[in-house]
Amino acid sequence: GAGVSQSPSNKVTEKGKDVELRCDPISGHTALYWYRQRLGQGLEFLIYFQGNSAPDKSGLPSDRFSAERTGESVSTLTIQRTQQEDSAVYLCASRATGPSLDYEQYFGPGTRLTVT
Amino acid sequence: AQKITQTQPGMFVQEKEAVTLDCTYDTSDPSYGLFWYKQPSSGEMIFLIYQGSYDQQNATEGRYSLNFQKARKSANLVISASQLGDSAMYFCAMREGLGDTGRRALTFGSGTRLQVQP
Repeated sequence: GAGVSQSPSNKVTEKGKDVELRCDPISGHTALYWYRQRLGQGLEFLIYFQGNSAPDKSGLPSDRFSAERTGESVSTLTIQRTQQEDSAVYLCASRATGPSLDYEQYFGPGTRLTVT
Repeated sequence: AQKITQTQPGMFVQEKEAVTLDCTYDTSDPSYGLFWYKQPSSGEMIFLIYQGSYDQQNATEGRYSLNFQKARKSANLVISASQLGDSAMYFCAMREGLGDTGRRALTFGSGTRLQVQP
């Protein structure tokens, strides 16, 4: 079946502009995550959505970052007034949930954001 | 404090040999899950193997096995019979809590770059 998809695959923007990144999770996956990966580093958690529960925003680095998810489908990550330090690959992952079982997260291909 | 520590930024291994990638973790939660992901140069994150904190036996998936030493808080990945296609970054990750409890996000280590030589 289809995996997690993200768009755009690459985005170059000027400092100070807003950008919007999109994630389409695997159908039926109720959990959705956004991570950031700076060059040569591991992944940093940004935000987590689970069904209709309030999102876990504890990883968002500043109030310039926000994300939305409509039901159990598409999510958008918005970065306002982009800064050069926002340059990174932004990865989305989705996960199935169920009782008493742990499921792995399936990652999308990422969006490479470059702020000039 | 680092939750996940991968002390080997880079590793070399000869084709067909086994290699161990180190991972230590830190948590006070008795319930947790440990994951290994592979990230080739193309950038996608590929799930390899999972170990739950209450699992009695070490996890195995094909050529991958996880050497889980709970008392030492280590979860090393062993790749047997290395192949050229195994060259990639490898990330160890932890999720505190199991199932639908606890923090759901993964905490990742800084990764180990493995290069398999012919």
